Amino acid sequence: NAGVMQNPRHLVRRRGQEARLRCSPMKGHSHVYWYRQLPEEGLKFMVYLQKENIIDESGMPKERFSAEFPKEGPSILRIQQVVRGDSAAYFCASSPPPSGRKGETQYFGPGTRLLVL
Amino acid sequence: GNSVTQMEGPVTLSEEAFLTINCTYTATGYPSLFWYVQYPGEGLQLLLKATKADDKGSNKGFEATYRKETTSFHLEKGSVQVSDSAVYFCALSDGRELSFGAGTTVTVRA
Repeated sequence: NAGVMQNPRHLVRRRGQEARLRCSPMKGHSHVYWYRQLPEEGLKFMVYLQKENIIDESGMPKERFSAEFPKEGPSILRIQQVVRGDSAAYFCASSPPPSGRKGETQYFGPGTRLLVL
Repeated sequence: GNSVTQMEGPVTLSEEAFLTINCTYTATGYPSLFWYVQYPGEGLQLLLKATKADDKGSNKGFEATYRKETTSFHLEKGSVQVSDSAVYFCALSDGRELSFGAGTTVTVRA
């Protein structure tokens, strides 16, 4: 059973370009979370999605950032017109549907390290 | 809102030393608590978790007990190895996203 897959692992963009980060959840997982890790900091929640639905995007910057999780294919985190401050590691996690308990474990991918020049 | 505060690092230890990393939390209700570990250049791996008060999570010699009265989930290991060098994150979940502490970098010297 493959784990959470993210690609690319490293992405270099110039200011003003677009960055697209992909995440394929673990088999059987229908819920995806995106987190951002700035240098020397912990992870900050960005967005929580299930298939074709955004459940919670309270951690997402209001502009330039968007996320989707289509019926077919991976989840995509899209950053338009990137700026230097977007340089960070972006991690995706997946979990099975919540069972009503609070203990569902999130499984993390290896991350995409975005560098904006 | 939910928040996690963990001991600041970096922490440097010799092999076979005792490791403890303090973690306290603020949350409404009864969250689940987690410790994740991040090795250099990699993603986060779940180390252990506890879902209710007085539960003890354990894995690879690491332990942490969910203490509701002190709102804490301190991580301990009795005898560390060089391979335990990593960044350790305490986190909580109220059923949706995880809220993370800032991470504690641990370096174990041979």
